[in-house]
Amino acid sequence: EVQLVESGGGLVQPGGSLRLSCAASGFTFSSYAMSWVRQAPGKGLEWVSAISGSGGSTYYADSVKGRFTISRDNSKNTLYLQMNSLRAEDTAVYYCAKGVTAARLDSGFDYWGQGTLVTVSS
Amino acid sequence: SYVLTQPPSVSVAPGKTARITCGGNNIGSKSVHWYQQKPGQAPVLVIYYDSDRPSGIPERFSGSNSGNTATLTISRVEAGDEADYYCQVWDSSSDHPKGVFGGGTKLTVL
Repeated sequence: EVQLVESGGGLVQPGGSLRLSCAASGFTFSSYAMSWVRQAPGKGLEWVSAISGSGGSTYYADSVKGRFTISRDNSKNTLYLQMNSLRAEDTAVYYCAKGVTAARLDSGFDYWGQGTLVTVSS
Repeated sequence: SYVLTQPPSVSVAPGKTARITCGGNNIGSKSVHWYQQKPGQAPVLVIYYDSDRPSGIPERFSGSNSGNTATLTISRVEAGDEADYYCQVWDSSSDHPKGVFGGGTKLTVL
């Protein structure tokens, strides 16, 4: 059974940092691109970042480029999102999501974690 | 940047057919994915690559994509289909592909 479990969310002051983790199980983690998607309270879904299965290619939304870093440790089946210079508008539930098709970035997301809430406030 | 446009809301009576559109410039040249999200829950993939259905998704859910509009069709709508629906594509027009979501459509079952 595929499982994605996020952790690391919490309350952080503007300008602060936070690292999210997503522990994956039930599939060959290194074969699939992974993404982070966020949802601000009462708002729609926003794609944040993606990483190839090997970790060699990374992609970012313009809204987080230069502040967030996506990475993965395939030996630990874990996806990360390092978030720096956090702003109030980064407040959201952050989901990790698995690509449908191995080795394809443009596939949909067939499994999602339960989400972890990040609140940026003083 | 690439923009996907969805109607904010669609209403349908039980047993009828709901159609949710997703507009984008030449969206027919892209692969479109659709998600269902109920309150307090993570999104669920209901259609991928325009018209493929994941296992466990009822055949009542179907998708199409042509020209500037992709459409999610839900036949014989049930009360349990009431949810927010999002379309999604990958914008590969630059060297840096980006994921793009539509603004979402709230489906109300009357």
